Amino acid sequence: GAVVSQHPSWVICKSGTSVKIECRSLDFQATTMFWYRQFPKQSLMLMATSNEGSKATYEQGVEKDKFLINHASLTLSTLTVTSAHPEDSSFYICSARDPLVTGTNGYTFGSGTRLTVV
Amino acid sequence: LAKTTQPISMDSYEGQEVNITCSHNNIATNDYITWYQQFPSQGPRFIIQGYKTKVTNEVASLFIPADRKSSTLSLPRVSLSDTAVYYCLVGETGSARQLTFGSGTQLTVLP
Repeated sequence: GAVVSQHPSWVICKSGTSVKIECRSLDFQATTMFWYRQFPKQSLMLMATSNEGSKATYEQGVEKDKFLINHASLTLSTLTVTSAHPEDSSFYICSARDPLVTGTNGYTFGSGTRLTVV
Repeated sequence: LAKTTQPISMDSYEGQEVNITCSHNNIATNDYITWYQQFPSQGPRFIIQGYKTKVTNEVASLFIPADRKSSTLSLPRVSLSDTAVYYCLVGETGSARQLTFGSGTQLTVLP
């Protein structure tokens, strides 16, 4: 089946620094990828939709300048948390859609990245 | 995207069958119903998808009544390792639209 690789699986950074998270579709080309954030005991919340070769679409309330998304190729999207603060500590999950698969089972999720800002 | 409503939590014992029902009153004609499973600190994992009637795979069954306003995920003979959060989603086919997650159902399987 489709595989989405997300790295790193966890990261600890100091407040004020930037962290980059990578999301790769390993066996399919994903023109669209999605980035979610999940706080403890809460559901996944969509942050932005990443489109290959164009600007990302951010959900309301998500700061574009803080969460930089780049989707430079059909298999790679990156999320950079800039000037991270403790309140950015969360579980970040990416998802990629295989355009050749019909229905919502065409979405595959990465294993997530646990970000802790100290 | 159609909104879904699920029970917040459910408890069961090993070996029992578990049925989790999801309401989606505003489901659209082109929407499929999909269930995902999520373990702590992992991304969601696809379980099953259906459009109408019944779908069965090696891990679960999905029952969808004729009006499609609800669906029931059935997990046969659960084990401790089935303890997870289960999400019901509805989404349009062939569209590059994001999945919107509801609150999910925390299933706890007890020994």
